[in-house]
Amino acid sequence: EIVLTQSPGTLSLSPGERATLSCRASQSVSNLAWYQQKPGQAPRLLIYGASNRATGIPDRFSGSVSGTDFTLTINRLEPEDFAVYYCQQYGNSPITFGQGTRLEIK
Amino acid sequence: EVQLVQSGAEVKKPGESLKISCKGSGYSFTTYWIVWVRQMPGKGLEWMGITYPGDSDTRYGPSFRGQVTISADKSINTAYLQWNSLKASDSAMYFCARHGSGGATKDYFDYWGQGTLVTVSS
Repeated sequence: EIVLTQSPGTLSLSPGERATLSCRASQSVSNLAWYQQKPGQAPRLLIYGASNRATGIPDRFSGSVSGTDFTLTINRLEPEDFAVYYCQQYGNSPITFGQGTRLEIK
Repeated sequence: EVQLVQSGAEVKKPGESLKISCKGSGYSFTTYWIVWVRQMPGKGLEWMGITYPGDSDTRYGPSFRGQVTISADKSINTAYLQWNSLKASDSAMYFCARHGSGGATKDYFDYWGQGTLVTVSS
């Protein structure tokens, strides 16, 4: 099974700053998505196909890939962006998630 | 509007059985896979398995095969997750979600249910 390792575990930033979240795969991954989860809520799809924004997602969210390293970038952080973020690979069975990165207000 | 509405929270004793549900609306329920995802308290997301309501094809993640049963009733646009004998370690939040691309067995999840909290305690 493909292991996804997210870093950092926790990221402390201020509103207006840029967040860079990493997701590294243990082997080649053909498809990857990013989700945002706030306390007490279901995850929300942000990015699919490594770099495609889901419907209704602001353009301050972007995804990129270089080899087995995937990055979620959030420009100009808004107060509502502070949450936990998960990556998910869906190119290989079984589907797996990263352990999450907590983005907290500094 | 696409919606997935899950059944309410459950409190059960070890050894009891349980079936929770996920009702879809606002789209063609029979042409999109439904996935179940577990989230244990304070932990991350785990893929449990999927079902295709159109023909009841079902697949399980290796950690969950034999531990749960996933099914769907296309006549009432509802998917299910069930246990025959609950354990304390089954205590978790369970989410259903829809595959984004419809017919693909490996996919991202574009719409999610609100979650069903299952508590198993003696």
